[in-house]
Amino acid sequence: DTEVTQTPKHLVMGMTNKKSLKCEQHMGHRAMYWYKQKAKKPPELMFVYSYEKLSINESVPSRFSPECPNSSLLNLHLHALQPEDSALYLCASSQGDRGGAIQYFGAGTRLSVL
Amino acid sequence: GDSVTQMEGPVTLSEEAFLTINCTYTATGYPSLFWYVQYPGEGLQLLLKATKADDKGSNKGFEATYRKETTSFHLEKGSVQVSDSAVYFCALIHTGNQFYFGTGTSLTVIP
Repeated sequence: DTEVTQTPKHLVMGMTNKKSLKCEQHMGHRAMYWYKQKAKKPPELMFVYSYEKLSINESVPSRFSPECPNSSLLNLHLHALQPEDSALYLCASSQGDRGGAIQYFGAGTRLSVL
Repeated sequence: GDSVTQMEGPVTLSEEAFLTINCTYTATGYPSLFWYVQYPGEGLQLLLKATKADDKGSNKGFEATYRKETTSFHLEKGSVQVSDSAVYFCALIHTGNQFYFGTGTSLTVIP
């Protein structure tokens, strides 16, 4: 099983709302990632968790707050977003932080900020 | 730093045509190289990979060979189908766990 599950698939929120994106994997992977993807662009790395600790934060605004409750789950908490934050948010996981590890992606959450 | 340069699209081909999407990379040492495919409305799926020079990755009729001498990892398929219409991303990973993606190439196959 190489599945990464993301919920919800679609999310519409106002600029004053608070919402969360969820990601789950049961492959025993110890590294998990959040990416943001705008239309017709490659994914942009936002955060990396390695062994449940935040190891990379690519200068993401504080209105995005990641959380890794355990090795299988990754959340992205959203608050006071801007319309330009509308995008496809992808979660991925890999075996660990060694070089060359394949990343497995979820189907994404398509977020619209009104 | 590490980077990937990918052929600009979009690419439009007739069914059963030959496909090549060019990808070159910049990295020290020996990165691992990947092709990912993204179908409309979906996430990225691993298509194939190669981890050392002269390795050939293959899957679903697609192939790519890791060429150290030309720092390239071009994607090829002998006969494309309508169902191959998607966006294709070349990517590399070196030390650590940070992927470097190319800009993506959109492929449309018409019957």
